[in-house]
Amino acid sequence: ETGVTQSPTHLIKTRGQQVTLRCSSQSGHNTVSWYQQALGQGPQFIFQYYREEENGRGNFPPRFSGLQFPNYSSELNVNALELDDSALYLCASSLYGEGYGYTFGSGTRLTVV
Amino acid sequence: EDQVTQSPEALRLQEGESSSLNCSYTVSGLRGLFWYRQDPGKGPEFLFTLYSAGEEKEKERLKATLTKKESFLHITAPKPEDSATYLCAVRGMDSSYKLIFGSGTRLLVRP
Repeated sequence: ETGVTQSPTHLIKTRGQQVTLRCSSQSGHNTVSWYQQALGQGPQFIFQYYREEENGRGNFPPRFSGLQFPNYSSELNVNALELDDSALYLCASSLYGEGYGYTFGSGTRLTVV
Repeated sequence: EDQVTQSPEALRLQEGESSSLNCSYTVSGLRGLFWYRQDPGKGPEFLFTLYSAGEEKEKERLKATLTKKESFLHITAPKPEDSATYLCAVRGMDSSYKLIFGSGTRLLVRP
């Protein structure tokens, strides 16, 4: 059974640029969520995708957007990068419904300069 | 608004010195309380899910308990490899699709 894989592991971008982060869900999982974790803080929910549609969103601006593909892999896109976007971005997959846990990937460390 | 507070922020223990980590929560109908372990630069690793007050779960040196307002993660006779940040998260009725995390407790176990 494969876990959640994310790419790239590290990334450096310039303020104002755009970035795409990728995630492959754990085998058999149909739901993917994205979280942002600033240094020394707990992860914060960005959004969740199920059946290729966004079905929940946290307090993040529209420049944070995502996609889920038929094979349940996912992308997180961030436009007009700001310095405060520097963080560890985590992808988590699960089965949709009650009683299911979330499996996290190792994350992508994004640095905006 | 759903909220999770963890204490202490940091904890230093000597190898073999047992202790407990606290997670206080406010949630509109608990659909699950989760404990994760996170090593530096890595993603959270799932430990336990608790659903109702009185429930307990164990794994090796770790034991998680749950009341209506808080959860404890008890660490018995810790080893240096238990050093990590321990995160608590809740899933509530009003936000059933997301986890609300605390800021974590950074545990250091010295040999």
